[in-house]
Amino acid sequence: QVQLVQSGSELKEPGASVKVSCKASGYTFNVYAMNWVRQAPGQGLEWVGWINTDSGKPTYGQGFKGRFVLSLDTSVSTAYLQISSLEAEDTAVYYCARARDCSSRSCYSEYWGQGTLVTVSS
Amino acid sequence: QSVLTQPPSASGTPGQRVAISCSGSSSNIGSNYVHWYQQLPGTAPKLLIYRDNQRPSGVPDRFSGSKSGTSASLAISGLRSEDEADYHCTAWDDSLSGPVFGGGTKLTVL
Repeated sequence: QVQLVQSGSELKEPGASVKVSCKASGYTFNVYAMNWVRQAPGQGLEWVGWINTDSGKPTYGQGFKGRFVLSLDTSVSTAYLQISSLEAEDTAVYYCARARDCSSRSCYSEYWGQGTLVTVSS
Repeated sequence: QSVLTQPPSASGTPGQRVAISCSGSSSNIGSNYVHWYQQLPGTAPKLLIYRDNQRPSGVPDRFSGSKSGTSASLAISGLRSEDEADYHCTAWDDSLSGPVFGGGTKLTVL
């Protein structure tokens, strides 16, 4: 069965960096793209970006260019989201999700990780 | 402020039919597929409807999706207590070159 297991909660100070991992199992990793979605406390969902797991090419949503970096380690079927220069406004749950149709103007998420809470506070 | 507009809340009694709306524009709903997610309290979202009206395997046929022009709707018939959740709509936006979401609708089963 498809499983996406994310790394645990993180507490970081403003200005620090964090790297969230998402380990996939139950399917061939490089056949499906990976989405990343953010949910701030009590808020709706926001698309961070997606990464082509075959080519490694990332695409970022508006507002997520610069400090956010999507990457892969295909040898261990794992996707990563790194955020640098953390701000209080980055406090949120970050989800990875196996994506469909992101290259054809549809882009939805079939299977989701459990989420990783990133808290930015001094 | 979300690009797609959903009512913040909806409610119904067991057995009732409820509909949740999602309003957008010609650059998103008007020209691309709409998808819906269900998010039970304290859990990750789950794909409920994709490509306007398709149900993934395992999703009961009590859930249905429709679209007309720049608006979409999620209908839940035979409402059950376990349907109490947040529901999110999403669609690709051609102007932003990525998917956009509604603010989510909290469904309460009275």
